[in-house]
Amino acid sequence: GNSVTQMEGPVTLSEEAFLTINCTYTATGYPSLFWYVQYPGEGLQLLLKATKADDKGSNKGFEATYRKETTSFHLEKGSVQVSDSAVYFCALSDLTGRRALTFGSGTRLQVQP
Amino acid sequence: DAGVIQSPRHEVTEMGQEVTLRCKPISGHDYLFWYRQTMMRGLELLIYFNNNVPIDDSGMPEDRFSAKMPNASFSTLKIQPSEPRDSAVYFCATGEGNEKLFFGSGTQLSVL
Repeated sequence: GNSVTQMEGPVTLSEEAFLTINCTYTATGYPSLFWYVQYPGEGLQLLLKATKADDKGSNKGFEATYRKETTSFHLEKGSVQVSDSAVYFCALSDLTGRRALTFGSGTRLQVQP
Repeated sequence: DAGVIQSPRHEVTEMGQEVTLRCKPISGHDYLFWYRQTMMRGLELLIYFNNNVPIDDSGMPEDRFSAKMPNASFSTLKIQPSEPRDSAVYFCATGEGNEKLFFGSGTQLSVL
């Protein structure tokens, strides 16, 4: 079945540091890939997505590239801010018709001023 | 639109009591999902509906859990009887398909 593996957190960075959160997946076929973000006390919200190999999703300074050869979708940001502190979830869609996203376990990011 | 509205935001109850969580989806969204989030197990899909019809309830932990969607603007998740291990944050999410889900703010459930 489908699965998503994320790096364990928390990831602690200083403001303006470079961020990478690793995500790899196992799936049949070529699903769409997503990053969702959960700010404290809130529900998840879509951050970015990519629908096919070599696509790059981007939003709010975050980027992730769909790498078919390494089955990865790592999240990056060149300069993080304190306001980026949140939990980040990698997810993939299901091609079998079940049509429910498979989420990773989440990675908590803490950005210190 | 006010987004996905869940109620209550917090629920504290005693073991054995019935708990009902409510969700009002965004108008026009034909998919509705119920998720549970805990530190130990992360985010778990419990059940989802398409056009008010339950499609996959394989994530519902046991018979104590039930969910309904009587119309396009309302869904409930009921736990009867509740147990301490049910303590979690329960999220409702809706979407036009599954590519972009909108989550509510969640219900923090504590079963004592």
